[in-house]
Amino acid sequence: QLVLAQSPSASASLGASVKLTCTLSRGHGSHAIAWHQQQPEKGPRFLMRLNSDGSHIKGDGIPDRFSGSSSGAEHYLTISSLQSEDEADYYCQTWDTGIGVFGGGTKLAVL
Amino acid sequence: EVQLVESGGGLVQPGGSLRLSCAASGFTFNRYDIHWVRQPAGKGLEWVSTIGTASDTYYPGSVKGRFTISRENAKNSAYLQMNSLRAEDTAVYYCARGLPFLGVVDYWGQGTLATVSS
Repeated sequence: QLVLAQSPSASASLGASVKLTCTLSRGHGSHAIAWHQQQPEKGPRFLMRLNSDGSHIKGDGIPDRFSGSSSGAEHYLTISSLQSEDEADYYCQTWDTGIGVFGGGTKLAVL
Repeated sequence: EVQLVESGGGLVQPGGSLRLSCAASGFTFNRYDIHWVRQPAGKGLEWVSTIGTASDTYYPGSVKGRFTISRENAKNSAYLQMNSLRAEDTAVYYCARGLPFLGVVDYWGQGTLATVSS
């Protein structure tokens, strides 16, 4: 069964960079995943799709500060020049033979 | 502009039914999967159902046999019929567009709240 593992929380200072991780369970490293942002009291917003080859395709209007990369079963979301509005929950998501899967989410605090 | 607008949420007693609707615009509806995803208050996102472009359907064990997803391409709409509702089904329900074959979501609706309570 495919599982996406995310750290529950992360923090970084205003203007700094942060790298969030989404780890696919063993044997599922070739799946494409998506990253989604959910700001407080708002619905989710698609950030980007990360393909198994490490390439990424961003959603409409997503700033260049957001980038993605992959290394084996680990997929990363890097946010640079952190701004206060980046304080949010970040979820990774994928699909595996008829089953949708979400990671538990990472709550990012911008200090 | 891609838009997904959910409706149909509300308060229902345990054991009751609700039908959620998702009206889509701004893209060729029949070329995309549609997902329903829910979020209980203060908790994470949970996949609820998916309908593919060929109207193939998928459910997790928690709702299988109680929820039915459908689509009406001529109306650019998708639906989620929820029967035998339980308190634990209380959540904001989001409609989302999915990329065929990859299964990833790339657009979200604003959500509709379904509350199951006596």
